[in-house]
Amino acid sequence: EIVMTQSPATLSVSPGERATLSCRASQSVSSNLAWYQQKPGQAPRLLIYGASTRATGIPARFSGSGSGTEFTLTISSLQSEDFAVYYCQQYNNWPRDTFGQGTRLEIK
Amino acid sequence: EVQLVESGGGLVKPGGSLRLSCAASGFTFSSYSMNWVRQAPGKGLEWVSSISSSSSYIYYADSVKGRFTISRDNAKNSLYLQMNSLRAEDTAVYYCASHGMLGSYFDYWGQGTLVTVSS
Repeated sequence: EIVMTQSPATLSVSPGERATLSCRASQSVSSNLAWYQQKPGQAPRLLIYGASTRATGIPARFSGSGSGTEFTLTISSLQSEDFAVYYCQQYNNWPRDTFGQGTRLEIK
Repeated sequence: EVQLVESGGGLVKPGGSLRLSCAASGFTFSSYSMNWVRQAPGKGLEWVSSISSSSSYIYYADSVKGRFTISRDNAKNSLYLQMNSLRAEDTAVYYCASHGMLGSYFDYWGQGTLVTVSS
């Protein structure tokens, strides 16, 4: 099983600042990586797929980068609605997809 | 607008059964692989099962293999999950989710239905 490790577990950032979230795979997943945002009581929402392609309707302040085993989600200027939990998911080993444990982005 | 609406969750005793449904609209359901993903209270996301567009290919997580059965009815735009021999560790919100066009990421999600397994 490919293990996905996200860091940090919790990130405290002020509105308007940049947030950088990391995701590491235990073995190469090429560019088959997605990022999701989940707010309390809501379903996850797809943000990024293919490591760097924004999903439909996702604002340009969200960007993804990386390949192989190291990936980053960057939110360039945090808005109040961006404070949530973020998950990465590898789908290189489908159907054995695996998710990271999540990073909670909180207001500083 | 794509909509996925789950139903069928509830409280069930250990060893019991439950059938979840997911009604899809706003896209060509019969063209997409569909999935169930669950989330235990306060925990992360776990893929449960996938079914290809024509039901030719079906996959399960090891944790549910032999107990859960995924199916779909393309004429009714519906996805199902039959859950038998339920355990306490199956307690979770169960989401129906569609696969993307360019890979097995999950591009659309339902709002989820809560399954609680407890005596």
